[in-house]
Formats: sequence, C-alpha cells, structure tokens
Amino acid sequence: DAKTTQPPSMDCAEGRAANLPCNHSTISGNEYVYWYRQIHSQGPQYIIHGLKNNETNEMASLIITEDRKSSTLILPHATLRDTAVYYCIVRGRAGGGADGLTFGKGTHLIIQP
Amino acid sequence: EPEVTQTPSHQVTQMGQEVILRCVPISNHLYFYWYRQILGQKVEFLVSFYNNEISEKSEIFDDQFSVERPDGSNFTLKIRSTKLEDSAMYFCASRAGLAGNEQFFGPGTRLTVL
Repeated sequence: DAKTTQPPSMDCAEGRAANLPCNHSTISGNEYVYWYRQIHSQGPQYIIHGLKNNETNEMASLIITEDRKSSTLILPHATLRDTAVYYCIVRGRAGGGADGLTFGKGTHLIIQP
Repeated sequence: EPEVTQTPSHQVTQMGQEVILRCVPISNHLYFYWYRQILGQKVEFLVSFYNNEISEKSEIFDDQFSVERPDGSNFTLKIRSTKLEDSAMYFCASRAGLAGNEQFFGPGTRLTVL
C-alpha cells in the first residue's frame, strides 16, 4: 500500500470549511484513496473514498489531483462534532478479504467555537 | 441504521487468563475484521475473515489469537493467555462485499489486563 503523509493537527473555526490535505505520491493506478475518522476513542468511521474523480457524499467532498499524488478532504461546514482524528488511507480495491486497513497517525482536526 | 455491536464494552482480566471478545457484524455483510488500538497509539489491523476462514492476518495475530464465527451472527476474537501488553481497545469491523468497499466499525471493547 502506498504511504500517506498528513499534517499532525489542524484547527478550523466552526461553520467554516475544513480542508484536510493528504500526500500519497507513490500511489499506483489501481489504488483508491479512503478517508476515515475517529472521534475520541470510538471506532473509526468511514467518510468517503475515490479513485481519480472528485467525490461527494452527505458527509464530505474528496478532491483528488489529476496526477493522483495528493488529495483533500473537505468538510463544508464544520461543527464541533467534527473534532476527530482523520485518516487518509490508500488501498487497492477490496477483494477476497485481504484488505486490512493500515492506519497512520492521521490529522487531529480541532473545530474551534 | 444497521451497526456493528460489540460486547462487553469493558473487560478486565488477570494476566494469563483467556478472554473472548464478541462482535455482531452488520447483517448480510460477508467480510469481518479485528483491529486493536493501544492507548495513544495507532489503530492496528489484526485479522480479516471471509467464508469461514482467515484471509489475512498481521504479525500481531500470533498463536495466542484466534477468531471464529460460531453461529452465523457472532464473530469472536479469543486471546488464549493474556499478557499485560494485550491491554487495548479492540474494534470489530464488517464489510458488505465487493459491492461495498467501506468497513463499518463497532464501538470497541476496552481490554484491561492486570
């Protein structure tokens, strides 16, 4: 799996868009970018994933650069409940169950009131 | 909304004792996982399970660990002889199948080995 690099922490004001960057310069053509988050000691929560096109769901948007070497997770209107550690994970398309996720240290996003 | 459940929420045991952590994955999911997180550290993959057998395991998942899906609904992690360093949060996760790539995690079981 390709290695990812994320800033250790970020602050964002409540109501503003939170933009979380992730570098994955060694990503290969068949690898997806996944984002999960972990709110204090809870189980990780899936947010979104993508291959090369930008993706949006009810939680967030994922912007992947054209060369796929980096991506940005966007929380459009951050709330205090979005304070969490956000993990960017690069993984091949799941198949056969051999798809254990490798979590790094992630970005600790703190939403300020 | 369906969710993964885990019991107990907190387990305290003596070193050397056997523990069984229980998980009920989301109904009709086909792939099951165990992860652990030692306090203050990263979430670590332990094992994945599909079609009643282990499909992948990490170096952490040694002979002291075993998994089982005994009755078609529960998914268990057994630690045969617990060590102090097994103290951690243990998370179960499940995934629907090839049509669903995301893993859904349970709330975790906090294991404390004394």
